[in-house]
Amino acid sequence: TQLLEQSPQFLSIQEGENLTVYCNSSSVFSSLQWYRQEPGEGPVLLVTVVTGGEVKKLKRLTFQFGDARKDSSLHITAAQPGDTGLYLCAGARTGYDYKLSFGAGTTVTVRA
Amino acid sequence: DAGITQSPRYKITETGRQVTLMCHQTWSHSYMFWYRQDLGHGLRLIYYSAAADITDKGEVPDGYVVSRSKTENFPLTLESATRSQTSVYFCASTDLTYEQYFGPGTRLTVT
Repeated sequence: TQLLEQSPQFLSIQEGENLTVYCNSSSVFSSLQWYRQEPGEGPVLLVTVVTGGEVKKLKRLTFQFGDARKDSSLHITAAQPGDTGLYLCAGARTGYDYKLSFGAGTTVTVRA
Repeated sequence: DAGITQSPRYKITETGRQVTLMCHQTWSHSYMFWYRQDLGHGLRLIYYSAAADITDKGEVPDGYVVSRSKTENFPLTLESATRSQTSVYFCASTDLTYEQYFGPGTRLTVT
């Protein structure tokens, strides 16, 4: 059983549409990260959120950390084909030796 | 700046053979991690290391062995490969933060 549940598992949208990916858990995390992975490559860190209720924006990407620090969301506005990839959320818990727990990922496909 | 590298990038081996996957980082990061990635499971931690000569098990350590004699290297050995170990393996490192930096991965097929 994964500590972090991501939904949806797959998402296919047209260029210009918006999308939201969710990451949920019953556990509290000291911080939560979002990574993007492209085929044949390793995950690359997009953002880290550390405060409950925090919202971070990275161009067209908006990341939110839940008030209780148990969940997070990633919203992409006006998606572009370059946003295509596997999005992974990862949570860190205090006292766990810098280990991360990863969600299973959401595969996003943006069609031109 | 090479960052973190893995070798080989692709490997095909037979059941029962020993195989070693290499990981090298140039940042002198304290922590290094080995993950496997399988469809539907995301990234699962195999082993990690807090420093040279300090290693510990992760979520799925059975069938794997690690060592870390130097800070920059963290090899992963499959002592007797099984088909269930067919996967993509990623090495990552971090320096006392939760932000991990990943290598490009090794795609291992066990026949």
